[in-house]
Amino acid sequence: DSGVTQTPKHLITATGQRVTLRCSPRSGDLSVYWYQQSLDQGLQFLIHYYNGEERAKGNILERFSAQQFPDLHSELNLSSLELGDSALYFCASSVDSGIVQFFGPGTRLTVL
Amino acid sequence: GQQLNQSPQSMFIQEGEDVSMNCTSSSIFNTWLWYKQDPGEGPVLLIALYKAGELTSNGRLTAQFGITRKDSFLNISASIPSDVGIYFCAGPTNAGGTSYGKLTFGQGTILTVHP
Repeated sequence: DSGVTQTPKHLITATGQRVTLRCSPRSGDLSVYWYQQSLDQGLQFLIHYYNGEERAKGNILERFSAQQFPDLHSELNLSSLELGDSALYFCASSVDSGIVQFFGPGTRLTVL
Repeated sequence: GQQLNQSPQSMFIQEGEDVSMNCTSSSIFNTWLWYKQDPGEGPVLLIALYKAGELTSNGRLTAQFGITRKDSFLNISASIPSDVGIYFCAGPTNAGGTSYGKLTFGQGTILTVHP
């Protein structure tokens, strides 16, 4: 158990819908990272938040957004969902903006 | 952008055998990480390497940071069935001009261990 929690574990929804994925970092960690894992693209960095502020963005679609709240938990919002958004979404956390990141168990999103 | 190439893509071995896999990049990395992912789970950090030439062990696992800083190796000795999974190398790369913890991952090596 990495100490990073993610909910829900599974999510099934329809195209065009909007979903919110939630992540709680390890106790004491200020940074939260979101990654997407798909069969064709592998593990891809989406976005990084540090203590409530956005620090870096990867190839995150405009339909996706994230935020980190004062209690340091983070949410990833995915809207206007398409079939191709089906993937595993992982949250990771680290103490600062560090390189060593601990991953949560992931949310498996299925868009039908 | 920076890419990491892992080889082999997959391995089928017998329990008790030793395993070697590697990761290469066209550009220099200052840190190498090795993760293992079990089916349906998140990646678990195995070993972190911070200096060129560094050799670090974690139980039956040994990883090395290549002297050119463009490659890294992971060895597993005396494999057991629970070693099954996908092994990823990863390293920090620039994101929007900064290097704030964005990790780039290799495509993974799938390890199957036959009892």
